[in-house]
Amino acid sequence: SQTIHQWPATLVQPVGSPLSLECTVEGTSNPNLYWYRQAAGRGLQLLFYSVGIGQISSEVPQNLSASRPQDRQFILSSKKLLLSDSGFYLCAWSEGRTGESNQPQHFGDGTRLSIL
Amino acid sequence: RKEVEQDPGPFNVPEGATVAFNCTYSNSASQSFFWYRQDCRKEPKLLMSVYSSGNEDGRFTAQLNRASQYISLLIRDSKLSDSATYLCVASFSGNTGKLIFGQGTTLQVKP
Repeated sequence: SQTIHQWPATLVQPVGSPLSLECTVEGTSNPNLYWYRQAAGRGLQLLFYSVGIGQISSEVPQNLSASRPQDRQFILSSKKLLLSDSGFYLCAWSEGRTGESNQPQHFGDGTRLSIL
Repeated sequence: RKEVEQDPGPFNVPEGATVAFNCTYSNSASQSFFWYRQDCRKEPKLLMSVYSSGNEDGRFTAQLNRASQYISLLIRDSKLSDSATYLCVASFSGNTGKLIFGQGTTLQVKP
């Protein structure tokens, strides 16, 4: 069966520090991968998605970047964190088959990021 | 206008009640629809997919009306454990796998 791992679960970082959050998926090949942010009491905001290695699409202009160095690895990064980067970051995957109706997404446990 | 719109609630119902949530979506090209459940400070989890005319899973029934671009979720015989936020989700057109999430409807089931 497929599993998704995301870490760390919580992170407290000072303003201006770098960030690296990692997500890996097991049990599937060529998945679509996604990074979301959820601010407190708000909905999910799609940040990045990837349909293959090295292929990253950004949804909103921001202080963050994403990379997909391997098929089942997705990394969210920042060179300098801002206070507004605080939130609940979620990685998700879906089946990467093309030509079919969209598949549901499955989420990791999330990383709760606090910027001080 | 939001692409997927839900009444945020909260819906406060007694145990055993039947409760219905509604959702509208703006993209007529959306093909797939889902309901997710999100517990406080946890990740969203897929509750059920909604295909064609809808489907049923135990106490949960989802309905889709493409003409009105409207989705509903019915929960029968509510349990305390049903307390959560329910997210309505529509697919984005194309095959990128992108989904549009509503902001969620909060349900509180009380004894």
